[in-house]
Amino acid sequence: DAEITQSPRHKITETGRQVTLACHQTWNHNNMFWYRQDLGHGLRLIHYSYGVQDTNKGEVSDGYSVSRSNTEDLPLTLESAASSQTSVYFCASSPGQGPREQFFGPGTRLTVL
Amino acid sequence: AQSVTQLGSHVSVSEGALVLLRCNYSSSVPPYLFWYVQYPNQGLQLLLKYTTGATLVKGINGFEAEFKKSETSFHLTKPSAHMSDAAEYFCAVRSTNQFYFGTGTSLTVIP
Repeated sequence: DAEITQSPRHKITETGRQVTLACHQTWNHNNMFWYRQDLGHGLRLIHYSYGVQDTNKGEVSDGYSVSRSNTEDLPLTLESAASSQTSVYFCASSPGQGPREQFFGPGTRLTVL
Repeated sequence: AQSVTQLGSHVSVSEGALVLLRCNYSSSVPPYLFWYVQYPNQGLQLLLKYTTGATLVKGINGFEAEFKKSETSFHLTKPSAHMSDAAEYFCAVRSTNQFYFGTGTSLTVIP
């Protein structure tokens, strides 16, 4: 069965370190998204991609970057982790145009000390 | 840009009572509408969606939602709450390739 996976599921790091969160989908979807979820804020879009070599900033992109070298993967990098980036991160994917929904990964809980 | 408003960040109902979670959206054209459920420590799962056609949409676990264009609403209902319905619920709108989410409603079911 097609799926979307995230790794690691839990991560503890220190302020200033670079961290990369992996997202891998086997749906062959063109569109991939990264969100962070914080209490009281719901889901906030960090970055998204509509295809290979395409990346776009979302509403909370400062301090994060992504790259899309193939259809299946969209890794999220925190260039210099800050305590404000402690959150739960969700990756999602969806097919291109049309009424299809997003499919979500299980999430990564990141703690920055 | 689209916006999605979920009225009530916390809703409590008794087991067996009606569940009503409210969602209003802003859109100048009929959008694609979704309800997702999130159980603790899990990702979001699709409950149901409206694309075109019948405005009353049935989903999993006995939930349904009605698209009302005149009210720009897509409220989620379930006739009889079960303990297992306790979760976070998100309403979302898809416009072209972007998804816009409400801030979520936490549902508590009281035994």
